[in-house]
Amino acid sequence: QITLKESGPTLVKPTQTLTLTCTFSGFSLSTSGVGVGWIRQPPGKALEWLALIYWDDDKRYSPSLKSRLTITKDTSKNQVVLTMTNMDPVDTATYYCAHSSRVNSGWSFDYWGQGTLVTVSS
Amino acid sequence: EIVLTQSPGTLSLSPGERATLSCRASQIVTSSYLAWYQQKPGQAPRLLIYGASSRATGIPDRFSGSGSGTDFTLTISRLEPEDFAVYYCQHYGSSPTYTFGQGTKLEIK
Repeated sequence: QITLKESGPTLVKPTQTLTLTCTFSGFSLSTSGVGVGWIRQPPGKALEWLALIYWDDDKRYSPSLKSRLTITKDTSKNQVVLTMTNMDPVDTATYYCAHSSRVNSGWSFDYWGQGTLVTVSS
Repeated sequence: EIVLTQSPGTLSLSPGERATLSCRASQIVTSSYLAWYQQKPGQAPRLLIYGASSRATGIPDRFSGSGSGTDFTLTISRLEPEDFAVYYCQHYGSSPTYTFGQGTKLEIK
């Protein structure tokens, strides 16, 4: 079965860079038509898509955050890493990684990690 | 840029009633890439519907999706106590690649 789990710091200071790792199992990110994305949710607010990396290493970013985001994958380790620079208190949120596939779910997110709460505070 | 607007913001209904949730896109979108999620407090979202009308694995048939063009609907035929949650629509496209609606909270009346 497909599982994903986010890991990284729970607290970062303003202006620091956040690095989050998504470790997954049950699928390969080298399989055609597969992607892993990052989505965040500030407390009490809506979901916000951040980035997605495809099996062929194509990458997409939220236009409003593109300058601050980098997404990479390590297929051998079954990991996807998201970095976000210049963190601000408004970036306080639960960060989720999720699996997406063209065939099984029309590129919607069919499997999600449990999420990790990141707080930005000095 | 596509914007998804969900209505109503909050829907108050009783168990056994029918729920109809709306998602309107700011421009015509591809139905193949319209999805609905359910999120309960403290939990990750769960995919309910993809391709506007296809139920995801394990989703009860009381959940159904419909629509095309700019107007999409999630219908829950008979509400069960566990259905009270927040629901999001989402579109996959070109720019931005993913867009989420702001959510509809379905609460017990």
